[in-house]
Amino acid sequence: DIVMTQTPLSLSVTPGQPASISCKSSQSLLHSDGKTYLYWYLQKPGQPPQLLIYEVSNRFSGVPDRFSGSGSGTDFTLKISRVEAEDVGVYYCMQSIQLPATFGGGTKVEIK
Amino acid sequence: QVQLVQSGAEVKKPGASVKVSCKVSGYTLTELSMHWVRQAPGKGLEWMGGFDPEDGETIYAQKFQGRVTMTEDTSTDTAYMELSSLRSEDTAVYYCATGAGGSPHWYFDLWGRGTLVTVSS
Repeated sequence: DIVMTQTPLSLSVTPGQPASISCKSSQSLLHSDGKTYLYWYLQKPGQPPQLLIYEVSNRFSGVPDRFSGSGSGTDFTLKISRVEAEDVGVYYCMQSIQLPATFGGGTKVEIK
Repeated sequence: QVQLVQSGAEVKKPGASVKVSCKVSGYTLTELSMHWVRQAPGKGLEWMGGFDPEDGETIYAQKFQGRVTMTEDTSTDTAYMELSSLRSEDTAVYYCATGAGGSPHWYFDLWGRGTLVTVSS
């Protein structure tokens, strides 16, 4: 199985400041079809995960443009340009280039 | 607007089975690729398996092969996940989620609210 490793484990951010989360995969997520199968989710307290970003850098419907994703191969980053109070929760990256789909261990974001 | 409504919490003894349901509204189940993801208390997310509409087969994560069965009742637009031979490590919230992006490179764009299954003697 592909192992997804996220850093840091937790992040405390002042509202209005940027935040960045790293995700590294044990194998390249670039498929021969040209797509890179890397996704980002946010799980707010007491809620199911919600999709933020698909295929590295595409924001899902309704996701604010302060969220952006980047990266290639095995190294990926989720950035929040200006953190808001509603952004607290645990962020997960996920790969689906190969089954089983696997998730990172999560990065908990809290507000200072 | 698609909604996924899951069944209520369950408490089971070790060795028993549990069957969790996920009812779809606002869409028909045949138009969806339904998957199941679980989350142990305070832990991360684990994909268990899902339906591949391209070949009509259900794919299970190897870890759960032989213990999990995912079925669908298209007459009621309800998906089911049954897990047998339960052990304490199966205590988790079980989510149904719709798969997008095409087989087998799904991502999960809509999630149910989850069903807590507690395994305890």
